[in-house]
Amino acid sequence: GENVEQHPSTLSVQEGDSAVIKCTYSDSASNYFPWYKQELGKGPQLIIDIRSNVGEKKDQRIAVTLNKTAKHFSLHITETQPEDSAVYFCAATLSYSSASKIIFGSGTRLSIRP
Amino acid sequence: TAGITQAPTSQILAAGRSMTLRCTQDMRHNAMYWYRQDLGLGLRLIHYSNTAGTTGKGEVPDGYSVSRANTDDFPLTLASAVPSQTSVYFCASSPEADTGELFFGEGSRLTVL
Repeated sequence: GENVEQHPSTLSVQEGDSAVIKCTYSDSASNYFPWYKQELGKGPQLIIDIRSNVGEKKDQRIAVTLNKTAKHFSLHITETQPEDSAVYFCAATLSYSSASKIIFGSGTRLSIRP
Repeated sequence: TAGITQAPTSQILAAGRSMTLRCTQDMRHNAMYWYRQDLGLGLRLIHYSNTAGTTGKGEVPDGYSVSRANTDDFPLTLASAVPSQTSVYFCASSPEADTGELFFGEGSRLTVL
């Protein structure tokens, strides 16, 4: 069945350095790829997304890249700050008429070292 | 703006008892979802509703039921709780079922003893 694999499960980077989280998906028909950030004790929140007709999208310090041929997409955070510490989830979404199927990765716990 | 409100935030429940987790949204979103989050397993879909009056089964529906009598409310019921249902439960909504962009509540932590 459909599957999304996310790596690494934990990641620790020095403040100011970059962090990269990678995901692969199995359903080639997936057409929407959101990334969620979950802070301690809170629900996940959408931080950036990319659709299948785009290869890269950037929003300030965060960017997402998509390689549909290889079926993988990545989250890039540059100039990391303490507030970037959280759990990040990728997801692959298959949207079709009147419904969508969303499969989440297992999450990456990102820690920013001061 | 309230967004999505879940209640209770935390609950301890004896095995065999029933429990309803409440979820209300004020964004007039058509689609609503219930996920459970377990360590190392990410978010798994329990049940969903594409629009008021309809519901569907997700990845892990056994032991849970839902109803969608109106647009705003989407309660999740455990008829007879078991310890394996100890988890953090998140309700989410989406403007339309085919959007894929989810808005999550703050979660309900349930412990079944």
